[in-house]
Amino acid sequence: QKEVEQDPGPLSVPEGAIVSLNCTYSNSAFQYFMWYRQYSRKGPELLMYTYSSGNKEDGRFTAQVDKSSKYISLFIRDSQPSDSATYLCAMSAGGFKTIFGAGTRLFVKA
Amino acid sequence: EADIYQTPRYLVIGTGKKITLECSQTMGHDKMYWYQQDPGMELHLIHYSYGVNSTEKGDLSSESTVSRIRTEHFPLTLESARPSHTSQYLCASSDQGMSQSQYFGPGTRLTVT
Repeated sequence: QKEVEQDPGPLSVPEGAIVSLNCTYSNSAFQYFMWYRQYSRKGPELLMYTYSSGNKEDGRFTAQVDKSSKYISLFIRDSQPSDSATYLCAMSAGGFKTIFGAGTRLFVKA
Repeated sequence: EADIYQTPRYLVIGTGKKITLECSQTMGHDKMYWYQQDPGMELHLIHYSYGVNSTEKGDLSSESTVSRIRTEHFPLTLESARPSHTSQYLCASSDQGMSQSQYFGPGTRLTVT
């Protein structure tokens, strides 16, 4: 069983929609939770960083962590075609090791 | 401008050749990483470094080697390329205080024929 599970999609939504991306995990030691965005033929770019449980908002993006359910989410409000990319969740218990999800491909149609 | 660079971006090479993938960062980060990424798959850590003269193997078994002689430079070498090495290689760095926030280079897409 993988430590981190992420629905690969693809997820296709119309412009302006609210997008919900999710990951589940099995390791209760994870304390750091990240979301990365990766455009085609580019490296991942850090979008959101959360320590422990709770919500974090940055512009149109909101990250939620529910440690009791071992479930994290990324919400994108007012989605734009430029949001079309692959979104990777990532988690760490600390130290050098970060576990990445396989990514969800998102398409936002104009 | 603070950034992380990888060269070459694309490389097609024959079996048995020795190759070096270059990675440099200008952010002064102590920690650097090499990941392998295949389409639709997770990133797998193949090497990491805490600082100069410090290198460790990651979780993914790899026939590559790395060196860290300067803080900003973390090259990865394959002594004898094989078709199974065909993949995307991503270099990343992070600072000591926020090591979970990694900054990635654009990647090198390697094809071994």
